[in-house]
Amino acid sequence: AQTVTQSQPEMSVQEAETVTLSCTYDTSENNYYLFWYKQPPSRQMILVIRQEAYKQQNATENRFSVNFQKAAKSFSLKISDSQLGDTAMYFCAFMKQDFNKFYFGSGTKLNVKP
Amino acid sequence: DVKVTQSSRYLVKRTGEKVFLECVQDMDHENMFWYRQDPGLGLRLIYFSYDVKMKEKGDIPEGYSVSREKKERFSLILESASTNQTSMYLCTTRFYNEQFFGPGTRLTVL
Repeated sequence: AQTVTQSQPEMSVQEAETVTLSCTYDTSENNYYLFWYKQPPSRQMILVIRQEAYKQQNATENRFSVNFQKAAKSFSLKISDSQLGDTAMYFCAFMKQDFNKFYFGSGTKLNVKP
Repeated sequence: DVKVTQSSRYLVKRTGEKVFLECVQDMDHENMFWYRQDPGLGLRLIYFSYDVKMKEKGDIPEGYSVSREKKERFSLILESASTNQTSMYLCTTRFYNEQFFGPGTRLTVL
């Protein structure tokens, strides 16, 4: 079975600073996908960033980047220049290559302070 | 843009009632999913469907059933609601390796 662990239930960061959210996962698969999703308060879940396991290069999307360590089964999210709009729940997720199931972590609540 | 809609944002029901949660998508995606989201537990898969009239149990199917009579509509049914089914329910569709989320239904069972 696949498991996804987010060990930080809640984090705070000052506006304009950098914060890193941690995620580890457990799988025996070699090919899979990893995701970070953002759920703003009372709003819809949206995709932040996606990483294919077969790609060694870390994915980046503007201020968001990941540190993907396949051997260590670690997938952390770095948010640079934090903005008030980054305040949200962040979920790490794993999907096998058969696409039929996503496995989610328990979430990290990020609070960006002015 | 893909649109996934859910019939209610907030719902309050009584113990023992039969509850229907509806999800509709407009992008002709074959795969649809129902999750429940609880604090500290993340999202847990209840059921998914990969085609009309096809369904598969997820990780926590007990107390739930589903219906997919048309491709665009995927319904979650609580046959006899209980207080431990108070939760946020999220419907999603999947296309290739991307998932699209509905806004969620916050269900309270009294």
